[in-house]
Amino acid sequence: DAGVIQSPRHEVTEMGQEVTLRCKPISGHDYLFWYRQTMMRGLELLIYFNNNVPIDDSGMPEDRFSAKMPNASFSTLKIQPSEPRDSAVYFCASGSAGVGKETQYFGPGTRLLVL
Amino acid sequence: GENVEQHPSTLSVQEGDSAVIKCTYSDSASNYFPWYKQELGKRPQLIIDIRSNVGEKKDQRIAVTLNKTAKHFSLHITETQPEDSAVYFCAASDSWGKLQFGAGTQVVVTP
Repeated sequence: DAGVIQSPRHEVTEMGQEVTLRCKPISGHDYLFWYRQTMMRGLELLIYFNNNVPIDDSGMPEDRFSAKMPNASFSTLKIQPSEPRDSAVYFCASGSAGVGKETQYFGPGTRLLVL
Repeated sequence: GENVEQHPSTLSVQEGDSAVIKCTYSDSASNYFPWYKQELGKRPQLIIDIRSNVGEKKDQRIAVTLNKTAKHFSLHITETQPEDSAVYFCAASDSWGKLQFGAGTQVVVTP
């Protein structure tokens, strides 16, 4: 059974460029979460979806960040334009209301470096 | 919102000894408390969790205790092994079901 899948695993880009991170949740999970991890701020929840609908985006740092979930098996997190302070590891996690949405399983993460 | 504090930030133990990590939370409505283990360069992995209707839960060498009155919960690792070396995160689910993570504890098990 495949876990959460994220791509790319590593991304290096220059300041001002658009970055798109992708996530495929575990099949059958109806909750999807995007997190950012840095040494300074730890693990921060950016946004989460339930049944493809954004429920809480209060963690999204600013308008440069946007997230979509067009269907149950795919989500994107976009940064436009990117800045060096966006450098971090971005994790996607999924959960299921059936076992408690709080039980979240993380993907391998995307390590983003903005030069 | 929920606030989770985790102590200590680093913990060094001899192989075979026990390790204890403590967390406190602020939202009395929180009812779910997972623990994640993160090895260097890897994803956080759920190792054990507990819900508010249970005071203690054990899985082999790992146990978690919860004191709802005092709003704190702890992770206990017995008979530590080098492969237990990692960063451990506690978390609490707030009244909206979102997880708030602690800052993490770097555990180093020395042979």
